[in-house]
Amino acid sequence: DVKVTQSSRYLVKRTGEKVFLECVQDMDHENMFWYRQDPGLGLRLIYFSYDVKMKEKGDIPEGYSVSREKKERFSLILESASTNQTSMYLCASSTGTGEVIYGYTFGSGTRLTVV
Amino acid sequence: QKEVEQNSGPLSVPEGAIASLNCTYSDRGSQSFFWYRQYSGKSPELIMFIYSNGDKEDGRFTAQLNKASQYVSLLIRDSQPSDSATYLCAVVRGGADGLTFGKGTHLIIQP
Repeated sequence: DVKVTQSSRYLVKRTGEKVFLECVQDMDHENMFWYRQDPGLGLRLIYFSYDVKMKEKGDIPEGYSVSREKKERFSLILESASTNQTSMYLCASSTGTGEVIYGYTFGSGTRLTVV
Repeated sequence: QKEVEQNSGPLSVPEGAIASLNCTYSDRGSQSFFWYRQYSGKSPELIMFIYSNGDKEDGRFTAQLNKASQYVSLLIRDSQPSDSATYLCAVVRGGADGLTFGKGTHLIIQP
């Protein structure tokens, strides 16, 4: 009954590496999102996409990029990983537009450690 | 940018009592509000959403919305130890931009 799948639960990467975080949803949702969650800072929006090949910057896009080649898949890319990108990364999807967004379904998260 | 404020807690409530969680938001034009529950080490899960002023009940949970005061609350009746978690309030950002989350309130139900 898994609906939003993140490819890795835990990742350890070295500083400077290029890192790919993958997210796949099977609910035919238009909207997909990447957040990071840090203690004391809450959930912060990195990037989102409301259609294939479309992407929009969230509140903290620096150091990240995204790719959405298919409706069901939304990838987050850390171009050159740094230790301050150590965090829990959460992917989510939703349907609806405007003020009628029917909440999010979250993936199980990827805990990334950059050493 | 829309802001969502919650008391971080911890909020400690005895088992069987009513837990009351509060949230205020900055954008008077906000229309849609969500409550998520997050257990430690897990991802958030949707509990309730509310669009209209007043109360909305679902089992032991009641969401309350007061747009004039820009205030949303979540009441949990007959609190159980399994309700111990962090509760996140969220507001629609606008368009398809998704949700802005508060930092969450840590709730502890004491047996």
